Amino acid sequence: EDQVTQSPEALRLQEGESSSLNCSYTVSGLRGLFWYRQDPGKGPEFLFTLYSAGEEKEKERLKATLTKKESFLHITAPKPEDSATYLCAVSGGSYIPTFGRGTSLIVHP
Amino acid sequence: KAGVTQTPRYLIKTRGQQVTLSCSPISGHRSVSWYQQTPGQGLQFLFEYFSETQRNKGNFPGRFSGRQFSNSRSEMNVSTLELGDSALYLCASSFDRGPDEQYFGPGTRLTVT
Repeated sequence: EDQVTQSPEALRLQEGESSSLNCSYTVSGLRGLFWYRQDPGKGPEFLFTLYSAGEEKEKERLKATLTKKESFLHITAPKPEDSATYLCAVSGGSYIPTFGRGTSLIVHP
Repeated sequence: KAGVTQTPRYLIKTRGQQVTLSCSPISGHRSVSWYQQTPGQGLQFLFEYFSETQRNKGNFPGRFSGRQFSNSRSEMNVSTLELGDSALYLCASSFDRGPDEQYFGPGTRLTVT
């Protein structure tokens, strides 16, 4: 059974204080690891797909990295508008995605 | 480009009733997936439709069903509603099958009383 564990559950940062979110996973035959951002009352917003260990992707202040056991979402110099819940998901041979419980990020001005 | 739309946005039903939710994917997207999101279980996969065929199904009882039409629009149905079915139901579309680069709608908030 595929499993995804995200840590920490909640994170409070000051504006400009860089940090990382962790996503640990077990999956049979990784097809992809996905990062999403979800704002309150809205559906998740797609951020990145990582396919293989060593891969990295960047978007504005966000950078996602992947190893064989975990993925990190690095947030550089965050702003208050980066406050959201960040979700990680994996898909294996079945194509069925398994989501983690998310990390709730609050960035204070 | 218009995003994924879901109707209705809010719904209140009574235990034992049935409900149908609708999803219109992004134009050109052929895959539609449905998810249930609750505070207790998080985001859970219900099923995926691609080219009018159910390609995958999550671990939910048979009361949960869906279909996809030739224009890629999709509906999901929940029969014999239970209190535990109260949740945010999210629809996501993508060009190809599978969960890669999915775009989610705003969801339908279902409350079962």
